[in-house]
Amino acid sequence: DAGITQSPRHKVTETGTPVTLRCHQTENHRYMYWYRQDPGHGLRLIHYSYGVKDTDKGEVSDGYSVSRSKTEDFLLTLESATSSQTSVYFCAISELINTEAFFGQGTRLTVV
Amino acid sequence: GNSVTQMEGPVTLSEEAFLTINCTYTATGYPSLFWYVQYPGEGLQLLLKATKADDKGSNKGFEATYRKETTSFHLEKGSVQVSDSAVYFCALTGANSKLTFGKGITLSVRP
Repeated sequence: DAGITQSPRHKVTETGTPVTLRCHQTENHRYMYWYRQDPGHGLRLIHYSYGVKDTDKGEVSDGYSVSRSKTEDFLLTLESATSSQTSVYFCAISELINTEAFFGQGTRLTVV
Repeated sequence: GNSVTQMEGPVTLSEEAFLTINCTYTATGYPSLFWYVQYPGEGLQLLLKATKADDKGSNKGFEATYRKETTSFHLEKGSVQVSDSAVYFCALTGANSKLTFGKGITLSVRP
């Protein structure tokens, strides 16, 4: 299995609070991604990174920011959590932009 | 842009039944095609892939053939087991583009 660790695995937070999710990889892959999974929507890309300090938006980036200060770590921040951001969040990595991605175990976030 | 269309679900089968899950795609050029599986409470795992036309990907008894003429990559298994109950995602990448996923389909296999 690809070495991808997401933390925390579960979190409950209150509306309006900031939340940071962490993704750590041991594969030295260049590309890292954050997705959210919701019933009826499948997987939707939030942000991705193509190198240290190089990031770009996905299809549902509003309300989210990311940072990548080291190859192995990719952080997703909800600046002010809302109930619509209750979801399961997955981190993924890939060597190249157009190859298969490997996924972490997911973080279940509940905003109350 | 690229897109993936999967058949509507959920699908419920009896153990040892034959499985087909349809997937069609729209893409420019020559995409690579993938099937991912997600077991309950877990992340997505790559099940199989095909990178050029007429390639057949296979793993764990599942197969899918890259059909460029019909822009399809249907997933098949001859005899499903209860342990195959999961969500299945079809996906593609283009020459310089990220993974694009279908919406996924839930498979339930009854004993």
